[in-house]
Amino acid sequence: NAGVMQNPRHLVRRRGQEARLRCSPMKGHSHVYWYRQLPEEGLKFMVYLQKENIIDESGMPKERFSAEFPKEGPSILRIQQVVRGDSAAYFCASSPNGMPVEKLFFGSGTQLSVL
Amino acid sequence: AQSVTQPDIHITVSEGASLELRCNYSYGATPYLFWYVQSPGQGLQLLLKYFSGDTLVQGIKGFEAEFKRSQSSFNLRKPSVHWSDAAEYFCAVGGASGGSYIPTFGRGTSLIVHP
Repeated sequence: NAGVMQNPRHLVRRRGQEARLRCSPMKGHSHVYWYRQLPEEGLKFMVYLQKENIIDESGMPKERFSAEFPKEGPSILRIQQVVRGDSAAYFCASSPNGMPVEKLFFGSGTQLSVL
Repeated sequence: AQSVTQPDIHITVSEGASLELRCNYSYGATPYLFWYVQSPGQGLQLLLKYFSGDTLVQGIKGFEAEFKRSQSSFNLRKPSVHWSDAAEYFCAVGGASGGSYIPTFGRGTSLIVHP
């Protein structure tokens, strides 16, 4: 039973380019969460999605960031026109239940580096 | 708003010594409390969780944590640390009401184990 799969593991972009991060949840999980980890700041919640719906995007920056979780395929976190401050580790987690969240299963993350 | 404070950024212990990692939380009602562990380059793994009932909870790898409502604390303990326990430890709070059901994480405590 595969865990949460994230790709790529490492992504290098130049300022102004677009970054697309992918996340396939565990089999049977329909709830996906994206977190961002900056050095010594812990994990910051970004967005919570269910299939085809954004449930909570209170942690998403208002501009340049978007997320989707289509009916088929992985969840995508998209960052347009990246800046150096976007450099961070981005983690996806999934759960079988929504409210409340009893356990999150995390992927290994995507390390985004913006040159 | 809910929050988690992990006052120790780094903790250093000798192998075989006991360990206590501190966690204080703020939440509007009865919280769900979690401890996760992150090994280098990996995602987070759930160590243990508290939802209700016995305030002393047992987790994997010999860890335990005690919920103290009066102190708003959920400290993680282990009687004898192994070198393989060296990792980053995150406390998180969520719940079913009184705050967000999506877990909020602390900044983490880095555990260093000396031989």
